Amino acid sequence: AQSVAQPEDQVNVAEGNPLTVKCTYSVSGNPYLFWYVQYPNRGLQFLLKYITGDNLVKGSYGFEAEFNKSQTSFHLKKPSALVSDSALYFCAVSPFYGNNRLAFGKGNQVVVIP
Amino acid sequence: DGGITQSPKYLFRKEGQNVTLSCEQNLNHDAMYWYRQDPGQGLRLIYYSQIVNDFQKGDIAEGYSVSREKKESFPLTVTSAQKNPTAFYLCASSAGIAGVSYNEQFFGPGTRLTVL
Repeated sequence: AQSVAQPEDQVNVAEGNPLTVKCTYSVSGNPYLFWYVQYPNRGLQFLLKYITGDNLVKGSYGFEAEFNKSQTSFHLKKPSALVSDSALYFCAVSPFYGNNRLAFGKGNQVVVIP
Repeated sequence: DGGITQSPKYLFRKEGQNVTLSCEQNLNHDAMYWYRQDPGQGLRLIYYSQIVNDFQKGDIAEGYSVSREKKESFPLTVTSAQKNPTAFYLCASSAGIAGVSYNEQFFGPGTRLTVL
């Protein structure tokens, strides 16, 4: 079965500094990888996904993520964090062949300090 | 949250009662999902449905039931058999077809259930 690890519970970063949220995954075969963001008491919003091709994926709101097959990682990055980026971030994985079931990580709380 | 509605936003239940959470989508998606979210535990899959009149158990189906009589609707019933139902419940849908898992899921705004 597929699984995701998000090793840090909370990431603190100063506004304007680079933001990185880490994710490693485990899946049989090739993965499909996703990042979602959740604001308080709201549903999840899709940020970006990796299917195939270029290892650097660009998504919404200036976010990007880099797929690294050898390290089974899919870290989320933003060059310059905004206070409005403070939220809960989830990484998710599904197998190349499957039923579109996603395995989610526990989430990372990102706090951007003004 | 566009395209998926959940109601009610807040729900209070007495112990021993069954309650039903509504989920409706107008995205013409085949696949629909129910997740439970607890603090520090991420999202856990309760049930999912790939097509009308068909659904499968997820990882934590005990104490829950679902139906999929219409493409746009996937209600979740939390039964009295669910021992710890207080949580945030999220419904999602995707343009998934069985065997195709690269489509992102779209989420509703959630229902917060509290057992009194």
